[in-house]
Amino acid sequence: KAGVTQTPRYLIKTRGQQVTLSCSPISGHRSVSWYQQTPGQGLQFLFEYFSETQRNKGNFPGRFSGRQFSNSRSEMNVSTLELGDSALYLCASGLAGGETQYFGPGTRLLVL
Amino acid sequence: AQSVTQLDSQVPVFEEAPVELRCNYSSSVSVYLFWYVQYPNQGLQLLLKYLSGSTLVKGINGFEAEFNKSQTSFHLRKPSVHISDTAEYFCAVRVSSYKLTFGKGTLLTVNP
Repeated sequence: KAGVTQTPRYLIKTRGQQVTLSCSPISGHRSVSWYQQTPGQGLQFLFEYFSETQRNKGNFPGRFSGRQFSNSRSEMNVSTLELGDSALYLCASGLAGGETQYFGPGTRLLVL
Repeated sequence: AQSVTQLDSQVPVFEEAPVELRCNYSSSVSVYLFWYVQYPNQGLQLLLKYLSGSTLVKGINGFEAEFNKSQTSFHLRKPSVHISDTAEYFCAVRVSSYKLTFGKGTLLTVNP
């Protein structure tokens, strides 16, 4: 079974731009979560979606948003990028109960 | 709210030596516990998990962990490490919400 895939793998943007990251979960998984990883703050939870509904949200500003499609694929959008948004963005998928999450390779975003 | 403390930020060991990476958590309710490994420029790979049942959990690559409820700990162990085990290891806890709370990570460096 194919793992979680994320596109693109690397991205360079400038301040003020917006960016959209994509995540395709493992086949049969309907829960998708997003995390931000930075050297200073570590791994932080952004949000989780199940059946196109956001079930939980972390403590990030409204510039960070996401959505999930009927095929369980998910996108994350960051508007008005700031230098501090430079990070590795990880997507994880799981079954309905979400007990175990399996991670993708991540998208490394650099904001200049 | 739950939290996770990884007591050592870096652990250097020699090849074939045993290793223990320590993890303590705080939560007032039952938890699910996980260890993930991250190799350079990659996502997180699930090493092992405790959901219920036996407190000694075996994972991939010869790792195991023991859940100790009274000490709120979930330490990761391996009896003999290899150079290829060099990576960052993250302990994580999940309560009822659909998110993982991670520790800051422990960088394991295996020297020849």
